[in-house]
Amino acid sequence: QVQLVQSGPEMKKPGTSVKVSCKTSGYTFTTYSITWVRQAPGQGLEWMGRIHTYSGNTNYEQKFQGRVTLTTDTSTQTAYMELRSLKSDDTAVYYCAREGGKGDLGSHWGQGTLVTVSS
Amino acid sequence: QTVVTQEPSLTVSPGGTVTLTCASNAGAVTSGNYPNWFQQKPGQPPRAVIYSTSNKHSWTPARFSGSLLGGKAALTLSGVQPEDEAEYYCLLFYDGAVVFGGGTKLTV
Repeated sequence: QVQLVQSGPEMKKPGTSVKVSCKTSGYTFTTYSITWVRQAPGQGLEWMGRIHTYSGNTNYEQKFQGRVTLTTDTSTQTAYMELRSLKSDDTAVYYCAREGGKGDLGSHWGQGTLVTVSS
Repeated sequence: QTVVTQEPSLTVSPGGTVTLTCASNAGAVTSGNYPNWFQQKPGQPPRAVIYSTSNKHSWTPARFSGSLLGGKAALTLSGVQPEDEAEYYCLLFYDGAVVFGGGTKLTV
């Protein structure tokens, strides 16, 4: 079955970077795009960007342009999200999600990774 | 900046019917925005229930249905069950970018 397993919680200082991984299994990795979404404590879902796993092409939410980089390692079927210049309001649960067929923009989700930014 | 708006909260009695909507300040929502709906319970990741306006996933209960209604995307729950109590988020696609609605807290 399709599974997305994310890396563990992170504690970071302001100004540093974090890299969250999303290891996939149960399907051909390069068939579907991976989307990244975050959720601050008690808040709603916020789309960060997506990566087309076949081509490596990316789309980023304008708010995160220049601060986030999405990558993949096809040999390990893993997607990565790196966020730089962390601020306290980047404290959130970060999710990866696998897209599906046309118009399916997040059928399978990882369990989430809590990133806490605090001095 | 595109803003997607949902009802902040709705209440429905068990066995009743409720419709959640998803509007955009960019104009009428169409099938080209590929509306998706997600259910999220506390402490859990979102779970997809509807994609591309009205398509159900294999795990989506039959009582959930999606549509376009008066320029908005809509999610209708018919015969609501207590386990449907959750936060529901819509998602719209815009030319390579994606925007989530603010969520609707559904109380049963």
